[in-house]
Amino acid sequence: QQQVKQSPQSLIVQKGGISIINCAYENTAFDYFPWYQQFPGKGPALLIAIRPDVSEKKEGRFTISFNKSAKQFSLHIMDSQPGDSATYFCAACPSGYALNFGKGTSLLVTP
Amino acid sequence: GAVVSQHPSWVICKSGTSVKIECRSLDFQATTMFWYRQFPKQSLMLMATSNEGSKATYEQGVEKDKFLINHASLTLSTLTVTSAHPEDSSFYICSARDPFTSGQYFGPGTRLTVL
Repeated sequence: QQQVKQSPQSLIVQKGGISIINCAYENTAFDYFPWYQQFPGKGPALLIAIRPDVSEKKEGRFTISFNKSAKQFSLHIMDSQPGDSATYFCAACPSGYALNFGKGTSLLVTP
Repeated sequence: GAVVSQHPSWVICKSGTSVKIECRSLDFQATTMFWYRQFPKQSLMLMATSNEGSKATYEQGVEKDKFLINHASLTLSTLTVTSAHPEDSSFYICSARDPFTSGQYFGPGTRLTVL
């Protein structure tokens, strides 16, 4: 059973545009929501993470929006660049436990 | 930021041999490490949770006698794939949890190919 549902499966964005990836969860015990970026043949790299006590967190061009009542969270990549082309995974877990991953979104940023 | 290393980065072995993969947290102590497996173009599948000083907890369907996990210190966990077969070929990735930030940081992964 997929505990974290991620969409879209793939995304094409023009350089300079905004990339938006959405995730939804059901388990109300989840209280840690990270996003990872993965390039082919590499391990996932932690991009940004949020806890349910805040509705938004921004780090550079990356922003997480969190809607606790809807049990949804999303990643926004502002001013998307070709170097951002990668697979992005959302994840969620109760603190200290293993992450439950979404299925991933393959992002392509065209020049 | 927190750094997790894995060794080796890739390994090719003959069917029937055993392969050991090391996962180290370089700049923090991790009481908990996790082992994942990832097939091409798929998400990460949790194999087991490794707690320092205690037995690992395996996910359903993961054979504990085939995938031996040892978390002997706060900075090192090892995964041994015993009697490897071609179907064990995959990308194995570990992660370590930083107890101060609660962040989970991944190693670079190990590509295992069993001939």
